[in-house]
Amino acid sequence: LAKTTQPISMDSYEGQEVNITCSHNNIATNDYITWYQQFPSQGPRFIIQGYKTKVTNEVASLFIPADRKSSTLSLPRVSLSDTAVYYCLVGDNNQGGKLIFGQGTELSVKP
Amino acid sequence: SAVISQKPSRDICQRGTSLTIQCQVDSQVTMMFWYRQQPGQSLTLIATANQGSEATYESGFVIDKFPISRPNLTFSTLTVSNMSPEDSSIYLCSADLPTGLNGYTFGSGTRLTVV
Repeated sequence: LAKTTQPISMDSYEGQEVNITCSHNNIATNDYITWYQQFPSQGPRFIIQGYKTKVTNEVASLFIPADRKSSTLSLPRVSLSDTAVYYCLVGDNNQGGKLIFGQGTELSVKP
Repeated sequence: SAVISQKPSRDICQRGTSLTIQCQVDSQVTMMFWYRQQPGQSLTLIATANQGSEATYESGFVIDKFPISRPNLTFSTLTVSNMSPEDSSIYLCSADLPTGLNGYTFGSGTRLTVV
């Protein structure tokens, strides 16, 4: 399973755009890239998933370059409630594969 | 979207005893997983709960310590056996969503403290 590397922590201010980059140099052809968000005392929550190029939903955008060795989660205009840990995962979960979590990025949004 | 309920949400247990955690999904799912999250750490996969057969354990986890049941497509249990303070952690179950949706859903976890 491909290993992921993310910054351990990031700070931001309300209203800013936050970009969290994840490296996954050994991503396999069948792997998708998935991001989860976890608040304290809760289980992780699915945010967005992509295979290549760009994916956008009501919460975030995911940018994936052609070589797929990295990906960037973009959170537009963050608020205090976006303070959480963000995990980048790669795997073939569309076929029921297991998900292996890396260390995650602890995002702190300040007023 | 599918909902996962875990019981108990928290417990304080004596060392040497066992605790069984229940995970109920409100729709049939193919895959169910059990994770452990120690304070301030990421999630570590314990095992895949296979319906009708023995669970598949990750390196460092064994059936004698963490027996798992999966009697049907909506329910699974994880038992933490012969507990020690080192087993104090949050235990989470997750499941793949019904066809057409992406990503796994996680329960809110069981916070276990062993004294």
